[in-house]
Amino acid sequence: DADVTQTPRNRITKTGKRIMLECSQTKGHDRMYWYRQDPGLGLRLIYYSFDVKDINKGEISDGYSVSRQAQAKFSLSLESAIPNQTALYFCATSDPGRSGYTFGSGTRLTVV
Amino acid sequence: AQKITQTQPGMFVQEKEAVTLDCTYDTSDQSYGLFWYKQPSSGEMIFLIYQGSYDEQNATEGRYSLNFQKARKSANLVISASQLGDSAMYFCAALHRDNYGQNFVFGPGTRLSVLP
Repeated sequence: DADVTQTPRNRITKTGKRIMLECSQTKGHDRMYWYRQDPGLGLRLIYYSFDVKDINKGEISDGYSVSRQAQAKFSLSLESAIPNQTALYFCATSDPGRSGYTFGSGTRLTVV
Repeated sequence: AQKITQTQPGMFVQEKEAVTLDCTYDTSDQSYGLFWYKQPSSGEMIFLIYQGSYDEQNATEGRYSLNFQKARKSANLVISASQLGDSAMYFCAALHRDNYGQNFVFGPGTRLSVLP
């Protein structure tokens, strides 16, 4: 099994719909992150959590919310999806050491 | 705020030749980490190499090496003996501390195409 699992892998949804992207990890890391990737912009941080009770906004949190249900689970919600939220979304975990982040395989979201 | 610059949107290299992917960073932190990730067409992000700001030696991992020039704030990735499977997007990233703790900042990426 993958260390960081994202579901779904692909999703097409309509404008105005609520959608949740889920992430679970087996790394035992306290720190979890949600990023979105857009062509030419690299990865941009949406939200991050350093433990279950610690949730922080990232660079582009507007239109998103998160829930840290347990150390291993971190969900991203789009309350009312809009087309410019079409992107590739990555969940990641980290420890404070040298290995950087461990990324999930990504969720490709299309809002029509 | 921290910023990562990758000035090469796309690069081509002949198979078996070496290629350098540029990365410059902007930070006032004394302690930071620099990373390179590879993203093949399948989409996953694969960790390649790490350089700490206090590391005196340039990092190497197999065919990957990091040309770290601290005074110039550059952390270029060198891939030796390119292979067709090296064709992918490559992202430079920096781990730094901000008001909220630690944060990872990514550059826009460079698309590398290896030609047979």
